[in-house]
Amino acid sequence: KAGVTQTPRYLIKTRGQQVTLSCSPISGHRSVSWYQQTPGQGLQFLFEYFSETQRNKGNFPGRFSGRQFSNSRSEMNVSTLELGDSALYLCASSLLGQMDTEAFFGQGTRLTVV
Amino acid sequence: AQSVSQHNHHVILSEAASLELGCNYSYGGTVNLFWYVQYPGQHLQLLLKYFSGDPLVKGIKGFEAEFIKSKFSFNLRKPSVQWSDTAEYFCAVNVPNNDMRFGAGTRLTVKP
Repeated sequence: KAGVTQTPRYLIKTRGQQVTLSCSPISGHRSVSWYQQTPGQGLQFLFEYFSETQRNKGNFPGRFSGRQFSNSRSEMNVSTLELGDSALYLCASSLLGQMDTEAFFGQGTRLTVV
Repeated sequence: AQSVSQHNHHVILSEAASLELGCNYSYGGTVNLFWYVQYPGQHLQLLLKYFSGDPLVKGIKGFEAEFIKSKFSFNLRKPSVQWSDTAEYFCAVNVPNNDMRFGAGTRLTVKP
C-alpha cells in the first residue's frame, strides 16, 4: 500500500511569509501527527489530528497551525516565518493514534527560510 | 518535565563491533516504547517497539532492545554492526493521552 506522502519535498520562503505543507496519510489511517526535525533539537512534536480534530498539541507558538480533512489528509500552516523555522517537517500517520501501533512517517518537507 | 534522553549524540564504531545506545525516559506510568531509524536520505522507519510482555524485544536487522522498568530505560543493542547500520537512531516514548516524545537522536557511524 502507498506510504505517507508529503508535499512539497522542498520549499524556500522568505521571512514574514506564510507556508502550507500537506500530508496524505496511509489509506485507512485516521491519525496524523506533525513533527519538526532540526539537527540540534531532534524531533519535536507539533500536533496530532484525529478525525478532523486536534487531539494533542506540543509547545510551539500559535504561528504553527494545522487542520485535517474528512479524508484524513492534513495540512500544516506556518505564518510569519522566521529564520529559525527552517527545518525538516515530518508527518506521521497511524491507524487510531498515539497509543496504537507504530506511526509511519513520510519523507518530510524541507523548509528553508531566508 | 517529561522527557526522553539519549545519552550519546554521535557514536563511531568499526564493523563487527557491538552496539548499545542508551535511552532513558521520565514518565512514571504505562508507556509504549519505540526505536526508529533514519538512514541517510530516507524517512524514519520503525526498528522495534515495546508495548507489554517480554521486556526483551527483537526488531528488524538484528536489533534488540531491553525495557528495564526500574531504570526507566529502553536501550538498543546489536551484537555486530555493519557499515549499512550507519544512520540516526531515535528513541521514542508514547504516554496515554499524550503525544509521542522523541529523544534528540544518536548518530551512528560504522567504519568499514
